[in-house]
Amino acid sequence: GQNIDQPTEMTATEGAIVQINCTYQTSGFNGLFWYQQHAGEAPTFLSYNVLDGLEEKGRFSSFLSRSKGYSYLLLKELQMKDSASYLCAHPAGNNRKLIWGLGTSLAVNP
Amino acid sequence: EPEVTQTPSHQVTQMGQEVILRCVPISNHLYFYWYRQILGQKVEFLVSFYNNEISEKSEIFDDQFSVERPDGSNFTLKIRSTKLEDSAMYFCASSPGETGIFEVQFFGPGTRLTVL
Repeated sequence: GQNIDQPTEMTATEGAIVQINCTYQTSGFNGLFWYQQHAGEAPTFLSYNVLDGLEEKGRFSSFLSRSKGYSYLLLKELQMKDSASYLCAHPAGNNRKLIWGLGTSLAVNP
Repeated sequence: EPEVTQTPSHQVTQMGQEVILRCVPISNHLYFYWYRQILGQKVEFLVSFYNNEISEKSEIFDDQFSVERPDGSNFTLKIRSTKLEDSAMYFCASSPGETGIFEVQFFGPGTRLTVL
């Protein structure tokens, strides 16, 4: 089957670092995406991983371990505008439809 | 920077009425998608479209739903007879279609559909 699990909510302080975890189960694997979604808005692409290891993009980094079915998104130097939901998703099998987690709602406090 | 656009931003309709949601994908993209998100729930795939035909659809995408690319720029989702449970945010997305199934999908701002 295909399932994605993420923590529901997280809280962090402005300027800090936060790690958002995602575990997945899939019969096929074609990488893992991270999207950011502000309330009432569209998901916007942040990062993706195809191979194991860390991908760094400015303040955002994403890590993947395919053998463990595990990924995390690392947000550094948190800003108030980073308060949003963070969704992990992966393509299902050999097609393009994305299977989504419920998302982790991150609240950044001053 | 090119972006996906959607109209209207909000649509309120009576149960049983037909609605058409409109999208303009990024101009050089070849794959188009519709997803929906019921309030507080996961984003759900509805349908993907390529080369003027549906390439995949989900169980949600039943006979009440249809998609069309009426011209070179628009991509529409029609719901023939809306139900209360169709109330959701509907997102259109597009992707280049050049690098295989693992490529970024870019999302439009969404249409919030409310069925009364």
